[in-house]
Amino acid sequence: AQTVTQSQPEMSVQEAETVTLSCTYDTSESNYYLFWYKQPPSRQMILVIRQEAYKQQNATENRFSVNFQKAAKSFSLKISDSQLGDTAMYFCALRGGGADGLTFGKGTHLIIQP
Amino acid sequence: DAGVIQSPRHEVTEMGQEVTLRCKPISGHNSLFWYRQTMMRGLELLIYFNNNVPIDDSGMPEDRFSAKMPNASFSTLKIQPSEPRDSAVYFCASTPGGILGELFFGEGSRLTVL
Repeated sequence: AQTVTQSQPEMSVQEAETVTLSCTYDTSESNYYLFWYKQPPSRQMILVIRQEAYKQQNATENRFSVNFQKAAKSFSLKISDSQLGDTAMYFCALRGGGADGLTFGKGTHLIIQP
Repeated sequence: DAGVIQSPRHEVTEMGQEVTLRCKPISGHNSLFWYRQTMMRGLELLIYFNNNVPIDDSGMPEDRFSAKMPNASFSTLKIQPSEPRDSAVYFCASTPGGILGELFFGEGSRLTVL
């Protein structure tokens, strides 16, 4: 069975600061993808960034980057220059093996203070 | 391009009533997933289809829940009879089948059972 753990239920930072959200996972698959999804109050699930496990280079999308530590099974999300619009629930997710569905963590509620 | 389309967006019903949630996946995607989101349990995979065939329904909570995919462009999730504990947001997601990658989510259907 696959598991995803997010140990920070809620975080709060000031606008323009950098924040890191933690995620650890467990899987027996050798080929898998990791994702961060954002869910704002509109409840739409929005893909923020993805990482293919076989790629050593950490993924980056504008202000969003990940720190992928495969041996440690860790996949943290860094948000630089945080903005008010970044306020949302952030979910770490894993998809592996036979292209089954995503396994989600419980989420981190990120609040960006003005 | 249209994304995943779900209806209704909101549904309020009384205990014992039948509820039908609908989903139209992105054209060309042949894997479809139904998720349920609650505060207590987070995002849970209920069932998924490949090429209109149910592959894994182990997440369906009980016999009151059923899902169908009569063709590549339409799926339903039915609850009969509904109970207050079924109150949740139900998401449909799709993805091109057979490859690993992100899931594309609809906006969700918020179900309230009184």
